[in-house]
Amino acid sequence: EAQVTQNPRYLITVTGKKLTVTCSQNMNHEYMSWYRQDPGLGLRQIYYSMNVEVTDKGDVPEGYKVSRKEKRNFPLILESPSPNQTSLYFCASSITGTSGYEQYFGPGTRLTVT
Amino acid sequence: AQSVTQPDIHITVSEGASLELRCNYSYGATPYLFWYVQSPGQGLQLLLKYFSGDTLVQGIKGFEAEFKRSQSSFNLRKPSVHWSDAAEYFCAVGALNFNKFYFGSGTKLNVKP
Repeated sequence: EAQVTQNPRYLITVTGKKLTVTCSQNMNHEYMSWYRQDPGLGLRQIYYSMNVEVTDKGDVPEGYKVSRKEKRNFPLILESPSPNQTSLYFCASSITGTSGYEQYFGPGTRLTVT
Repeated sequence: AQSVTQPDIHITVSEGASLELRCNYSYGATPYLFWYVQSPGQGLQLLLKYFSGDTLVQGIKGFEAEFKRSQSSFNLRKPSVHWSDAAEYFCAVGALNFNKFYFGSGTKLNVKP
């Protein structure tokens, strides 16, 4: 089954404790992206990756890091989480190209930073 | 700057009634336009998309949307709403050159029996 998976689905952590949220897709997509969803703000793009070893900032990259060492994986790293990073996070992927802007979303990771 | 506005935060319609969700965008070139739906506790699912050509696009679940360049709008419509359509709907713009995406703040749809 074609899908985007994220782990963990739920995470409660404390301020300053480094964490990684994993994202994996099995569709051989070149493009992957991370979003955060906050009430009243919709989804905001954090980082995206056009292909392996190619990443770039979205609209809200502060406090986040990403890496793209393999095509299928695109982990989101919070090196020193803060309470304002409490949010619902979505990973998405798509085929890059004129027909490829349909994004497939993962199920989401709900992060709480205390 | 690119932006997407969904002016209606909540909408309630009766089952069987027609539906129109509004979306306005600000973008310097012809955008790629999308509507996504998010059911409670779920990820986002693509309803439909507009890249070029016919300005009236058909999507899944009986939804359609019309691109109006003069109004910078991409409103979502459905002629007869079902209770299972209750969800949150997001309009999004894709930037042609930079692979960035901009989402509206969403419209929550409630369906009355």
